Amino acid sequence: AQSVTQLGSHVSVSEGALVLLRCNYSSSVPPYLFWYVQYPNQGLQLLLKYTTGATLVKGINGFEAEFKKSETSFHLTKPSAHMSDAAEYFCAVTPGSLGGGGNKLTFGTGTQLKVEL
Amino acid sequence: GAGVSQTPSNKVTEKGKYVELRCDPISGHTALYWYRQSLGQGPEFLIYFQGTGAADDSGLPNDRFFAVRPEGSVSTLKIQRTERGDSAVYLCASSTTNTGELFFGEGSRLTVL
Repeated sequence: AQSVTQLGSHVSVSEGALVLLRCNYSSSVPPYLFWYVQYPNQGLQLLLKYTTGATLVKGINGFEAEFKKSETSFHLTKPSAHMSDAAEYFCAVTPGSLGGGGNKLTFGTGTQLKVEL
Repeated sequence: GAGVSQTPSNKVTEKGKYVELRCDPISGHTALYWYRQSLGQGPEFLIYFQGTGAADDSGLPNDRFFAVRPEGSVSTLKIQRTERGDSAVYLCASSTTNTGELFFGEGSRLTVL
């Protein structure tokens, strides 16, 4: 079984400031981890994913996340926020290949990012 | 467009009525998923099709919910005897891989009065 906890349902940062969105997971097998983003009036889209290999993964629009097994975390960061980053961000987990893989994602409750001038 | 298309975008119905929600996946995507997103929650898995068959329907909440994909492309999610608790955004996604990359539609917002 898998679960995801996203700390902070709302995060507000100034334009140009560091963005840090927190995600902790629980999984009975080595997981695949994802961040999806939902811009206003748009569908969810994949921002980045970790499956195997390098634990620091880079995604679109300058975002990156680091898989830390010892901390069961997959926090999302961006060095400098832009107004266009305002959106809702969802962390998700699915069993990795040892658990059969698949696209039956378990999502967190989401973090709404607000970027202020 | 080339993305996942869902209709209707909004549906308001009365308690007890029957509702159908349609999903047209990206051309060539054999895998199709339905998720449900309630207010303040993340999407929750409902059902997964590989081709025409339902490979996993473990997320359907009860027997009022049913989905079909008769020709392996368009899918319809059917909800009988709707209840106020069914109010949510119903998301459809399609994929060509088994590693978590899903392409989502914009969703169908269902409101049951």
